[in-house]
Amino acid sequence: GDSVTQMEGPVTLSEEAFLTINCTYTATGYPSLFWYVQYPGEGLQLLLKATKADDKGSNKGFEATYRKETTSFHLEKGSVQVSDSAVYFCALSDRGGATNKLIFGTGTLLAVQP
Amino acid sequence: DTGVSQDPRHKITKRGQNVTFRCDPISEHNRLYWYRQTLGQGPEFLTYFQNEAQLEKSRLLSDRFSAERPKGSFSTLEIQRTEQGDSAMYLCASSPGDRAGTFGSGTRLTVV
Repeated sequence: GDSVTQMEGPVTLSEEAFLTINCTYTATGYPSLFWYVQYPGEGLQLLLKATKADDKGSNKGFEATYRKETTSFHLEKGSVQVSDSAVYFCALSDRGGATNKLIFGTGTLLAVQP
Repeated sequence: DTGVSQDPRHKITKRGQNVTFRCDPISEHNRLYWYRQTLGQGPEFLTYFQNEAQLEKSRLLSDRFSAERPKGSFSTLEIQRTEQGDSAMYLCASSPGDRAGTFGSGTRLTVV
């Protein structure tokens, strides 16, 4: 079945460092890809998305490009802030399916130190 | 638009008791989803409603779990005869058709 694999954390960075969180997927159809962020004690917030190959999603300085040839959707940010500390989830949704339910990776904890 | 609301935020119950959670989606969102998230893991799909019809249930949803969405508005998730393994965060999400879902803050269940 469809699945998402993302790099294990925690990822610990100093403020203003460059961030990459790797995400790869396996899907039989043509999925949409998402990054969600979860702050402590809260639900998930959509960070960015891409719906087809070569699309780039971006929001709040974060970006990710849908790479069909490598089945990847790596999250990047040029300069992280302490406020970016959270758990980041990569997810896919099979647009060919009836439900559009999300399949998530296990999450990557990002800790940014001042 | 007040977002997706879930109630309660926290629930502690004794093993064997029944619990019920409520989700109020964003108004006019016809799709509603329930997910379960255990510590250190990503959310896992439980069930999906389109309006009032429950169209898909995960194998994770044992016969002790039941979900309803009367009139296609709010939804309830009931767990009967709770077990310690049911301890998790239960997340609700809604969406207006084929778009990314908006999640609520979740209900954290602890079974003691």
